[in-house]
Amino acid sequence: GDSVTQMEGPVTLSEEAFLTINCTYTATGYPSLFWYVQYPGEGLQLLLKATKADDKGSNKGFEATYRKETTSFHLEKGSVQVSDSAVYFCALSGHNTDKLIFGTGTRLQVFP
Amino acid sequence: DARVTQTPRHKVTEMGQEVTMRCQPILGHNTVFWYRQTMMQGLELLAYFRNRAPLDDSGMPKDRFSAEMPDATLATLKIQPSEPRDSAVYFCASAPPDRVYGYTFGSGTRLTVV
Repeated sequence: GDSVTQMEGPVTLSEEAFLTINCTYTATGYPSLFWYVQYPGEGLQLLLKATKADDKGSNKGFEATYRKETTSFHLEKGSVQVSDSAVYFCALSGHNTDKLIFGTGTRLQVFP
Repeated sequence: DARVTQTPRHKVTEMGQEVTMRCQPILGHNTVFWYRQTMMQGLELLAYFRNRAPLDDSGMPKDRFSAEMPDATLATLKIQPSEPRDSAVYFCASAPPDRVYGYTFGSGTRLTVV
């Protein structure tokens, strides 16, 4: 079945460092891909999305490109801030399903 | 901003008691999901509805959990009887008919069963 694999955390960075969180997926057809962010004590918030191959989703300085050839959707940010500290979830929604399938989440810790 | 509203935010109950969690989806969203989040299992899909009809509840323990949508503005998740292993954060999410816009999550109900 469909699945999402994320790099394990925590990812620990200094402020202004470059961020990459890897995400790969397994799915039939052409899924939609998402990144969600969860701040402490809160629900998940949609960060960005891409619905077809080569689409780039972007929001708040974060970017991810839908790569069908490598079945990947890696999250990147050029310069992280302390306020970016959170758990990031990669997810997919299959072509013929309503379900949103999540990866295990990657905790990001940014220090001043 | 439109939001998904969940109540209560926190619930502490004794083992064996009934627990009811409520969710008000965003107006116009026709698909509603219930997820459970724990440290060990991560995010698990328990059940979901489209146009108030249950489509999949395979992730839900049938003997003690039940999910319903009495109307388009209310979804409920009940646990009876509750057990300590049910302690988790329960999230509701809703999605519009065009799901590529993503799902909107509520802030969750943190359940502790003692």
